[in-house]
Amino acid sequence: EIVMTQSPAALSVSPGERATLSCRASQSVGTKLAWYQQKRGQAPRLLIYGASTRATGIPARFSGSGSGTDFTLTINSLQSEDFAVYYCQQYSNWPPYTFGQGTKLEI
Amino acid sequence: QVQLVESGGGVVQPGNSLRLSCAGPGSSFGMHGMHWVRQAPGKGLEWLALIWFDGSKRYYADSVQGRFTISRDNSQNKLFLQMNSLRVEDTAVYYCARLLGEYIDSWGQGTLVTVSP
Repeated sequence: EIVMTQSPAALSVSPGERATLSCRASQSVGTKLAWYQQKRGQAPRLLIYGASTRATGIPARFSGSGSGTDFTLTINSLQSEDFAVYYCQQYSNWPPYTFGQGTKLEI
Repeated sequence: QVQLVESGGGVVQPGNSLRLSCAGPGSSFGMHGMHWVRQAPGKGLEWLALIWFDGSKRYYADSVQGRFTISRDNSQNKLFLQMNSLRVEDTAVYYCARLLGEYIDSWGQGTLVTVSP
């Protein structure tokens, strides 16, 4: 099973700043990595797939990068609606599909 | 993304069973694999099961293998999760999610299952 580790667990930033979230896989997943955003009381929403491709309707301030075992989600010019929990997930080697434990982005 | 609607959650005692349903869009439901994913209160996301678009293949997490069964009825545009021998630790919000190619692109709003004595 591939273990996904996200860091930091929580990140405090101010609106307008940049946030950088990290995700590391215990073995290579190539670029088969997705990022999801989950707001309190809501279902997750797909942000990024293929490590760097934005999903339909996702603003350009969200960008993903990386391959192999190390990945980054960058959010530029943070908006108030961006404060949420972010999860990475690998879909390279399954079952099981595995998620990181999440990074809480807070003000 | 598409609209998915789960139902069937509730409060059950340990050892009992529950069947969850997920309704999907009629136009393309039968063209995609479907997952169940759960989230315990205050915790992260845990993948549970995947079923192929035609139901021909099914995969499970070790934590539910032998207790949970994923199935689908494409004629009704519905996905199911039969949960037997429920445990307190199965308490969670259960989401159905659509497989688009290789990744999940759409999630339902979730249904809460509480297993309590």
